[in-house]
Amino acid sequence: SQTIHQWPATLVQPVGSPLSLECTVEGTSNPNLYWYRQAAGRGLQLLFYSVGIGQISSEVPQNLSASRPQDRQFILSSKKLLLSDSGFYLCAWSEGGGSGNTIYFGEGSWLTVV
Amino acid sequence: SQKIEQNSEALNIQEGKTATLTCNYTNYSPAYLQWYRQDPGRGPVFLLLIRENEKEKRKERLKVTFDTTLKQSLFHITASQPADSATYLCAPDPNSGYALNFGKGTSLLVTP
Repeated sequence: SQTIHQWPATLVQPVGSPLSLECTVEGTSNPNLYWYRQAAGRGLQLLFYSVGIGQISSEVPQNLSASRPQDRQFILSSKKLLLSDSGFYLCAWSEGGGSGNTIYFGEGSWLTVV
Repeated sequence: SQKIEQNSEALNIQEGKTATLTCNYTNYSPAYLQWYRQDPGRGPVFLLLIRENEKEKRKERLKVTFDTTLKQSLFHITASQPADSATYLCAPDPNSGYALNFGKGTSLLVTP
């Protein structure tokens, strides 16, 4: 069966510090991969998605970036965090190759920028 | 621009009653629409997908309808239980690409 893991689960970072959140999927090949953010009291915001290694689409301009160095690995990064980057970050995957596919979410990472 | 609107107010109902949640969308022509459940501090979990040629879909106590003319989907939970308390999110087909966006969700509280 397929599983998705992301880490760390929680982190507190000072403003201006770098960020790296990692996500891996097991049990599937060529998945579509996603990073979402959920700020306090707000809805899910799609940040990035990827349909293949090295292929990243950005949905919103910000100081975050994403990379997909391997087929089932997705990384969210920042060089300098802002207070507004605080939130609940969710990695997700879906079967590649078409629409109408269910999205499966990871456990989430709570980021507090202080 | 594309918009997804769900009941902004929390829905409080008594155990045993039917909960009805609404999802309206604009500037979408979705071939399908998905519903997810999210518990506090957790990622959303898929519940149901309904396609444009399906007026209604059921899964146990859940029922979803899809009216492409009204641009609306209704999500029903019959014989609701306190364990159904959660936030429910809808996500229409983005038509092109893979960027599945979600509504802000409706918070449901079922009281004994």
